[in-house]
Amino acid sequence: NAGVTQTPKFQVLKTGQSMTLQCAQDMNHEYMSWYRQDPGMGLRLIHYSVGAGITDQGEVPNGYNVSRSTTEDFPLRLLSAAPSQTSVYFCASSLNRGFETEAFFGQGTRLTVV
Amino acid sequence: AQKVTQAQTEISVVEKEDVTLDCVYETRDTTYYLFWYKQPPSGELVFLIRRNSFDEQNEISGRYSWNFQKSTSSFNFTITASQVVDSAVYFCALSEAGGTALIFGKGTTLSVSS
Repeated sequence: NAGVTQTPKFQVLKTGQSMTLQCAQDMNHEYMSWYRQDPGMGLRLIHYSVGAGITDQGEVPNGYNVSRSTTEDFPLRLLSAAPSQTSVYFCASSLNRGFETEAFFGQGTRLTVV
Repeated sequence: AQKVTQAQTEISVVEKEDVTLDCVYETRDTTYYLFWYKQPPSGELVFLIRRNSFDEQNEISGRYSWNFQKSTSSFNFTITASQVVDSAVYFCALSEAGGTALIFGKGTTLSVSS
């Protein structure tokens, strides 16, 4: 059972480049989400999905796009990277919204935008 | 509005000391879930505990214990006889039933020296 798999683990981008952070889970979870972690800020929600075909914005959505075409996958797209998007990104999944069961996190992606 | 406050930004202790990490939360819901996560220097998020709002029993797991008090909206975490391997950032988080996000505190960095 792989759990939540995030790729890549590290990435360096130039300002203005685009890229997609991949997230996949094999637990048939309905709820998936993306967080960013910045020093002294904790983790903040970027986007979330409560099921295939359904996505919504979190606390800090600007500059990011998501889609959920399958239950398993929830990619995060940076359309035009900016230095302010330098952060550690975590994908999380849970059986359903509300986190009545444990939330599972991926290993994280450390992104640097230069 | 939901909020999690971890007032202690950094704590330094010497091995074998006991240490308590404070967590105070705000929510209007009567049904909610509280979590603690550990983030070691390697960066992944390690799940420690989930507690629902109807279960105020304290919990002990080895050297770890948690004190949940609804009267003071607190969910404090104590490490007994701390060890160097306990050095990490610890996050407290809150989710309301049916909610779409885990709301994280800003984290407490614990440094245990030998």
